[in-house]
Amino acid sequence: AQSVTQPDIHITVSEGASLELRCNYSYGATPYLFWYVQSPGQGLQLLLKYFSGDTLVQGIKGFEAEFKRSQSSFNLRKPSVHWSDAAEYFCAVAFYDSWGKLQFGAGTQVVVTP
Amino acid sequence: EAGVTQFPSHSVIEKGQTVTLRCDPISGHDNLYWYRRVMGKEIKFLLHFVKESKQDESGMPNNRFLAERTGGTYSTLKVQPAELEDSGVYFCASSLTGATGELFFGEGSRLTVL
Repeated sequence: AQSVTQPDIHITVSEGASLELRCNYSYGATPYLFWYVQSPGQGLQLLLKYFSGDTLVQGIKGFEAEFKRSQSSFNLRKPSVHWSDAAEYFCAVAFYDSWGKLQFGAGTQVVVTP
Repeated sequence: EAGVTQFPSHSVIEKGQTVTLRCDPISGHDNLYWYRRVMGKEIKFLLHFVKESKQDESGMPNNRFLAERTGGTYSTLKVQPAELEDSGVYFCASSLTGATGELFFGEGSRLTVL
């Protein structure tokens, strides 16, 4: 079945530590790939996207993600988290003819401790 | 520039009542999307407007849901009659035609059906 999987529902990380959020997809073709973040009281905001080309994608707020076709993965990373990175993170996929029709993963809640 | 705004932010109604959610997209954005997140589930696509026309309504759960976008500006999503399983957060997003890759989301309208 077609799906987007975020294996980690909840992650706790210390401020200043590195963060990696996992995302795997299961589709016949390589979709467009996105990471969105929802901070408390705010709407979802696009962190970065991958359509084609360089498999290492830089985004806003110091985030990057790496597309690995062989693993059907698009993991999100940040070298050093800040308290303001506490939020819920969503991986999403779409296809070229309907890129706004996103299929989301379940989300990963990130808690940042002092 | 104002972002995507949604009203109300939270609505509590009894089963069988009617609720209307409103979304004001970013000015000039022809594409408007509705998504929904029910408790414990992924964010799911409901439908897509291009201006006042429904481009894709494949995600609408049943005929108790009616979406409109008169004049191609703001949109409403009416649930009539509401059922318990309709509880969740309803997100609206908008994008420019021709701009690929970023949806701008509102903060969501939380619906609680008792």
